[in-house]
Amino acid sequence: QQQVKQSPQSLIVQKGGISIINCAYENTAFDYFPWYQQFPGKGPALLIAIRPDVSEKKEGRFTISFNKSAKQFSLHIMDSQPGDSATYFCAARTGGFKTIFGAGTRLFVKA
Amino acid sequence: NAGVMQNPRHLVRRRGQEARLRCSPMKGHSHVYWYRQLPEEGLKFMVYLQKENIIDESGMPKERFSAEFPKEGPSILRIQQVVRGDSAAYFCASSSGQHSNQPQHFGDGTRLSIL
Repeated sequence: QQQVKQSPQSLIVQKGGISIINCAYENTAFDYFPWYQQFPGKGPALLIAIRPDVSEKKEGRFTISFNKSAKQFSLHIMDSQPGDSATYFCAARTGGFKTIFGAGTRLFVKA
Repeated sequence: NAGVMQNPRHLVRRRGQEARLRCSPMKGHSHVYWYRQLPEEGLKFMVYLQKENIIDESGMPKERFSAEFPKEGPSILRIQQVVRGDSAAYFCASSSGQHSNQPQHFGDGTRLSIL
C-alpha cells in the first residue's frame, strides 16, 4: 500500500516530442506528489509538485496531470530537449515527511 | 547560498569497517532526512531527524545503522561493521518544515563502496 508504481522504466523520445511518464499509488493518505529529476552523479532535484485537490499543474514545459479517482498521475514534458535526458522519479508523501519514490524512468532525448 | 552538503562524495570501506557519512543541511533548515539508493532503483527512506531528535527511523535497519543530528554540526549516518550489501548511494535531504510548501532539498549523495 506504500508503493508508488512508475512506468515506463526507460523512454526514448525525439527532440521536440512529448515525454510521458506515469505513476500509480494505492494509499489515499498521500497528500503531496512531487516529481524529481536526477542527473548522473547528482542528487534528485525537485521539478514540479501537485496536491490531490488539483487536476493539473503546469510549469514551463512540464505538466503534471492528476487523476484522484484512478489514483494515477503523470508527468508530461513538452518539446523535449537533449538536456532533459535524465532519470525522473515520481514520489508521494504522507505524514508530512515520509516520501515514497517510484523506481524511476530513464529518459533519453535524441537530437 | 549553499545547498545541502554531503561528504565525502565517495567512500570505500572494507568489510567489517565503519562508515561515517556527513550531511550539512541548507541554511535555515532544521529537518534532515536520509535515503538510500541502490543501482537502478528509487530512493528508500531511512530516517528523519530534527535537531537532537530522531523523529522516525522506520526505514533504517535495526542493527549496525545509526543516525544523529546534534545541536551543533552536521547530521551523521553511521554504519558499523559494513557488509557488501551496504554498497549504495546515500542521500541526505533537508527542509524547513513538514508542510508541502516546504519541500525537501537533496544533496549530491555519498557513494559507498564495500570491498
